[in-house]
Amino acid sequence: QKEVEQDPGPLSVPEGAIVSLNCTYSNSAFQYFMWYRQYSRKGPELLMYTYSSGNKEDGRFTAQVDKSSKYISLFIRDSQPSDSATYLCAIPNQAGTALIFGKGTTLSVSS
Amino acid sequence: GAVVSQHPSRVICKSGTSVKIECRSLDFQATTMFWYRQFPKKSLMLMATSNEGSKATYEQGVEKDKFLINHASLTLSTLTVTSAHPEDSSFYICSASRGSLSGNTIYFGEGSWLTVV
Repeated sequence: QKEVEQDPGPLSVPEGAIVSLNCTYSNSAFQYFMWYRQYSRKGPELLMYTYSSGNKEDGRFTAQVDKSSKYISLFIRDSQPSDSATYLCAIPNQAGTALIFGKGTTLSVSS
Repeated sequence: GAVVSQHPSRVICKSGTSVKIECRSLDFQATTMFWYRQFPKKSLMLMATSNEGSKATYEQGVEKDKFLINHASLTLSTLTVTSAHPEDSSFYICSASRGSLSGNTIYFGEGSWLTVV
């Protein structure tokens, strides 16, 4: 089993929809969880990070961590066409020496 | 916020030549820099991790003699693709860390598109 699994999609939704993006991880020792957004032909930018179970909200974005299930989610409310991008979950490895990325989910929001 | 600059953003080189990509942390000292490779519609694949003043640690399957990494200072790391071939064409992205890998301590460059013809 890979350390971080993410459904690559693609995911297409209409403007205004609620989007749910998910990752699972295998190592219960992982402590920090990040979500990056990557526009086409650009470097990833940090969207949200969290290190505890529960929800963390930032505007239209909510990051959710369920450590008991080893499941992390990113919710986007009132999705906009500008949200169209690839979303990658990332987790530092146990040694804290590198980030492990999911495959990325490509999201398309149509107006 | 912290900025990581990567240069060049696009480069085309002839097969057999070498090309150097620079990664600079502009407003912080990066204890560790990372080099990733990304194929179209694929995730980031970590190539190597470099710490200032020491040899880079390469991931399994990455040829260290082909992808030379130099981390000469706390603000600059370079990736040199030697004797480039068309299969080396890819999107190369660096990132820099200013501390332990937790939360918002890692910043990515804009990436460099390499095309080998």
